[in-house]
Amino acid sequence: DAKTTQPPSMDCAEGRAANLPCNHSTISGNEYVYWYRQIHSQGPQYIIHGLKNNETNEMASLIITEDRKSSTLILPHATLRDTAVYYCIVSYNQGGKLIFGQGTELSVKP
Amino acid sequence: GAVVSQHPSRVICKSGTSVKIECRSLDFQATTMFWYRQFPKKSLMLMATSNEGSKATYEQGVEKDKFLINHASLTLSTLTVTSAHPEDSSFYICSARDPGTLPYEQYFGPGTRLTVT
Repeated sequence: DAKTTQPPSMDCAEGRAANLPCNHSTISGNEYVYWYRQIHSQGPQYIIHGLKNNETNEMASLIITEDRKSSTLILPHATLRDTAVYYCIVSYNQGGKLIFGQGTELSVKP
Repeated sequence: GAVVSQHPSRVICKSGTSVKIECRSLDFQATTMFWYRQFPKKSLMLMATSNEGSKATYEQGVEKDKFLINHASLTLSTLTVTSAHPEDSSFYICSARDPGTLPYEQYFGPGTRLTVT
């Protein structure tokens, strides 16, 4: 599976948009980009996934560059409860395992 | 989203004993489940892939005789830590893949914290 690179930590002011970048320069054509987050001492929570097109759901938006070598997760109005470690993972649709990197620790501050 | 449960949420055992952790998919049938472990302030490490009705596939470096995985039904997988030692103390997390979604979505349990004394 392709590896991803994320900044180890980021801060964001409450109410502002949080933009979390991820590099996946070796992604294959049929690998998806998944985002999960983990709040302290809990299991990871699914956020969003995409293949080529930008995606949006009730939690976040995912922007994937045209060459698919990087993506950005956007939390439009961050709250204190969004403080967590965010993981960007690339994986095949069928049979693909989710291999976690180090993630980005997002701290949302009042 | 789909719900995956784990039991127990916390367990303390003595060195040399065995501990069983259960992982259940509550509202879908999971032909594939995964087991991870996580040390403090570290990322999740995949231990093994569990397929219903067949032997688990272990990641490199994971002792299959120490971490016994059974996936006897489409909604239940178990991880047994045999002859536990203090270094096995960790946060164990399971996940289940929902084959009814495309691409297959994977849902995680809340985790089990194992402490070996």
